[in-house]
Amino acid sequence: GEDVEQSLFLSVREGDSSVINCTYTDSSSTYLYWYKQEPGAGLQLLTYIFSNMDMKQDQRLTVLLNKKDKHLSLRIADTQTGDSAIYFCAETLISNFGNEKLTFGTGTRLTIIP
Amino acid sequence: GAVVSQHPSRVICKSGTSVKIECRSLDFQATTMFWYRQFPKQSLMLMATSNEGSKATYEQGVEKDKFLINHASLTLSTLTVTSAHPEDSSFYICSATGTSGGAGLETQYFGPGTRLLVL
Repeated sequence: GEDVEQSLFLSVREGDSSVINCTYTDSSSTYLYWYKQEPGAGLQLLTYIFSNMDMKQDQRLTVLLNKKDKHLSLRIADTQTGDSAIYFCAETLISNFGNEKLTFGTGTRLTIIP
Repeated sequence: GAVVSQHPSRVICKSGTSVKIECRSLDFQATTMFWYRQFPKQSLMLMATSNEGSKATYEQGVEKDKFLINHASLTLSTLTVTSAHPEDSSFYICSATGTSGGAGLETQYFGPGTRLLVL
């Protein structure tokens, strides 16, 4: 299957940590990604993790991967108002035509409470 | 680096007309470009994969005669919505594959999107 699921909404107070969760079903994914989409805009690549890693840290961002449970999370430390956006996780799959393609989750809308 | 542009950013057209959307990789050569469609408050759905110099590969359920894709150069792909109808109104986003980081990872870089409204 190619289902990638996320919670639709998350509200966090400014300065707290945000944790956005994602579950996927295909264990053959090679890379997993987190993208950020601001209103009316395209997607900005935030970070990615290779499937043989279980953690990656990049400044305020920490990605955790539990391959056994097919669970991916993105932690944003010291959340700021500029972090308000929709966050998509995505996995890389090989399509029926042999191309690598991204399958996106449903997206989580992060709202920052002042 | 790795900037992808789209033109136009917004277009309104009459039902029955055709609309062309351009996707350009500005500072890298993209052998592969992707076209996505996003409905309001929904995720991105891949429409087709476009390799430079060859025919596009369409996802199941996407009409190739309605959504014409041309990828004539390493920096430009176009999507033409032919005989557009109101149900084609959507946000169309392209992406291009480029190299990210020291590991040489092939990553998709996304354009800012084109909002199409068909009246």
